[in-house]
Amino acid sequence: NAGVTQTPKFQVLKTGQSMTLQCAQDMNHNSMYWYRQDPGMGLRLIYYSASEGTTDKGEVPNGYNVSRLNKREFSLRLESAAPSQTSVYFCASREAGVNTEAFFGQGTRLTVV
Amino acid sequence: GQSLEQPSEVTAVEGAIVQINCTYQTSGFYGLSWYQQHDGGAPTFLSYNGLDGLEETGRFSSFLSRSDSYGYLLLQELQMKDSASYFCAVGEGYSTLTFGKGTMLLVSP
Repeated sequence: NAGVTQTPKFQVLKTGQSMTLQCAQDMNHNSMYWYRQDPGMGLRLIYYSASEGTTDKGEVPNGYNVSRLNKREFSLRLESAAPSQTSVYFCASREAGVNTEAFFGQGTRLTVV
Repeated sequence: GQSLEQPSEVTAVEGAIVQINCTYQTSGFYGLSWYQQHDGGAPTFLSYNGLDGLEETGRFSSFLSRSDSYGYLLLQELQMKDSASYFCAVGEGYSTLTFGKGTMLLVSP
């Protein structure tokens, strides 16, 4: 079982470039999430998708867009990258419900220069 | 919205017991979870408390008091491999999951 797979693992972008971070899960989970992690800031929610066909903003959505392509896949797009978006990005998924474990991908380390 | 407070760093020695506290403010509470993250790795689930009281899983226990909006993670018989960051997280509704800023635990010999 692969669990949650993120690609790419590392990326360097120039300011103004665009890119899409891919995430796929094979656990048939309804809920999927994108977080960013910066030193001393913990994990901050960018966007989430409660189920296929729905997406909602989290705490820090500015500068990002998402697509829930199907139940398995949830992508995060940076339309015009900025140095402030240098971060580690984690995708996660879990079953719908209150007492469910979130499973994380291995992260994407993004640097915007 | 939600906010969670936890200490930024805790230090302890091997074999000791350490408690990491978490206080939260949320408009709709759906349980307190704990996650562990080793440096450079992905967070992994440790425990969940939906009701008041203590949950025990091996060397780790987690406690919740909903009336105090407070919980803690207790780690016993500390080992060097327990050096990591620990995050508390609250759910609001069936979908959202908000994390605290994390507590870095340093275990020394």
